[in-house]
Formats: sequence, C-alpha cells, structure tokens
Amino acid sequence: DVFMTQTPLSLSVTPGQPASISCKSSKSLLHSDGKTYLYWYLQKPGQSPQLLIYEVSNRFSGVPDRFSGSGSGTDFTLKISRVEAEDVGVYYCLQLLQLGAFGQGTRLEIK
Amino acid sequence: QVQLVQSGAEVKKPGASVKISCKASGYTFSSYYMYWVRQAPGQGLEWMGLINTSGGSTAYAQKFQGRVTVTRDTSTRTAYMELTGLRSDDTALYYCATELNSGPDHWGQGTLVTVSS
Repeated sequence: DVFMTQTPLSLSVTPGQPASISCKSSKSLLHSDGKTYLYWYLQKPGQSPQLLIYEVSNRFSGVPDRFSGSGSGTDFTLKISRVEAEDVGVYYCLQLLQLGAFGQGTRLEIK
Repeated sequence: QVQLVQSGAEVKKPGASVKISCKASGYTFSSYYMYWVRQAPGQGLEWMGLINTSGGSTAYAQKFQGRVTVTRDTSTRTAYMELTGLRSDDTALYYCATELNSGPDHWGQGTLVTVSS
C-alpha cells in the first residue's frame, strides 16, 4: 500500500498572504509511463471535492492561477500565492499510482 | 454538461447491505473510469475502488475487499456500489466520481448511508 502524509493538518492565513501544503508519499509516484499520479483537491464546506491540480502541476480547468503544484517522486507541495476567502476548506492530496489513497487533509481557515 | 446524480440517502441496520447508484450524463459513459470514495462524518476522504466502465474490470482498496462490489450498466449509463456486512463505522457520505482527463475530476453530490440499529 502507498500511504500519504500531509502537513500541516491545519493552517490559518491572512487574506492576500501565501499558503503552502506538503504531501509525502511512502513510495515514488512516478509511473513507468513517465507520469506522476499525484492530485490535489479542495473540499469546500458542504460540497463535494473539486479537482485543483492533476499530475503534480497541471491546473484543472477553471482553477485560478494562484494555485500551483510542484514536486517529484515522494515529495509534493500545493501553494496558494495569495489566499482569498473563497479558498477556505479542506485540501487533500491523492495518489493514483497504486489503487488510490488520500492524505489526511489540511484545513485552511482565514484569519 | 457532465453530471453524476446519485441515489438518495439510506438507513440500514448492522449486517445489512446497501447499493448506491450513480447516473451519468453529458459525456460518453463507457469511455471513462468511475471511482468511489467515502467520507465518514467529520473525517477525511477514503478511496474505495473503481471500475473500468468499458470492460467492467474493477479494483478495490484492500480494506473493502470482500465487502464491496462495483458494477455498471452501460445501457442506462449508471454505476453501482454495493457494500455488504454494514457496521456502524460504515456510516458515511459515499461519492462517485469520473475521470475525463486525469484523476477524478467530476463528482456526484454524495449519498448518505446511515447504519444504525
């Protein structure tokens, strides 16, 4: 099994300030096809999860460019360049290299 | 537009089974995987399994092996997830999600399953 560990589990950010979330996997998520199967989701209160980033660094359609993903192998990061009030919710990383597994989630709140 | 509409809330007794449906529209159903994910009250997301809607092959998280079955009916564009041997800790919101590009990118609204005696 592949295990995903997110840090921090919560963060409080002033609007306009940056935020960063780390996600580490127990094994490399690089597939032999050259793709890395790491995804980022945001679950806003009372809503279904929504895809933000696919394959480490590709923004999904309609996702603001203040969201960016980076990393390789086992270490990945989601960054929000300037947090806005609408970014409140829980962020999850997901690996799809071997079946699937989510990180524990990181709750973002606005100061 | 792409839509996944799930069946309504269920209340089940311990030991019973539940079968949830997920009806797709707005895209070619049998060309894309369908995933199932659940979320216990106040908890995080938990990956359960998936189905290749084209050939019907499935893959399940080890935790659910032997208790979960995912199927699909291409004629009605509907995927199903059945969970047997329900326990109180199976009380959760169950989501279906499809992958049109890479990763589950369109999600259903969720189906609440409550297990209580």
